[in-house]
Amino acid sequence: GESVGLHLPTLSVQEGDNSIINCAYSNSASDYFIWYKQESGKGPQFIIDIRSNMDKRQGQRVTVLLNKTVKHLSLQIAATQPGDSAVYFCAENRLSGNTGKLIFGQGTTLQVKP
Amino acid sequence: DGGITQSPKYLFRKEGQNVTLSCEQNLNHDAMYWYRQDPGQGLRLIYYSQIVNDFQKGDIAEGYSVSREKKESFPLTVTSAQKNPTAFYLCASSLRGGDTEAFFGQGTRLTVV
Repeated sequence: GESVGLHLPTLSVQEGDNSIINCAYSNSASDYFIWYKQESGKGPQFIIDIRSNMDKRQGQRVTVLLNKTVKHLSLQIAATQPGDSAVYFCAENRLSGNTGKLIFGQGTTLQVKP
Repeated sequence: DGGITQSPKYLFRKEGQNVTLSCEQNLNHDAMYWYRQDPGQGLRLIYYSQIVNDFQKGDIAEGYSVSREKKESFPLTVTSAQKNPTAFYLCASSLRGGDTEAFFGQGTRLTVV
């Protein structure tokens, strides 16, 4: 069936290095994607979003890349800090007729080593 | 403060009982969502509502019910028909459907005892 998935369940990086978290999606009609960060016991927090008419979007220390050809999404975090340790989810706006619903992937745990 | 509020934060239920989780938002958002999260897992969509008095089933609606009588409120009832209700429940809202950023509440942890 259709799904939004992540390539790796856990990513461990050294403090100060760059992190890349990947996501594959299967619905080519999806037109909007979001990355969320979730800390233990809390609700997800918005990081950055991108629409399907764009390939790249940058925020503060974060960049999202969208490759529609291979249905792949990535989140790049520059100069990773201990406070970046969390679970990261990608989500897609899955369209059904005129409405859309946000569907989430399984998540990647980012561990930052001091 | 504007935001989305879930209550209670922790909830204990005996087997066979129905329980209702509250979700309120003052962001004037049209769309609201309920997700379930199990340990080490992603978020799975239970129900969503694009507008008042209308809602649709998500991927795991069995054993749950919702209502959307007011724009700011989207309560979720976990019924006795839900076989494994212990989980972390997250409510979200967005300005309109899934093509706008969704804001999340802090979640309700439901435990069946």
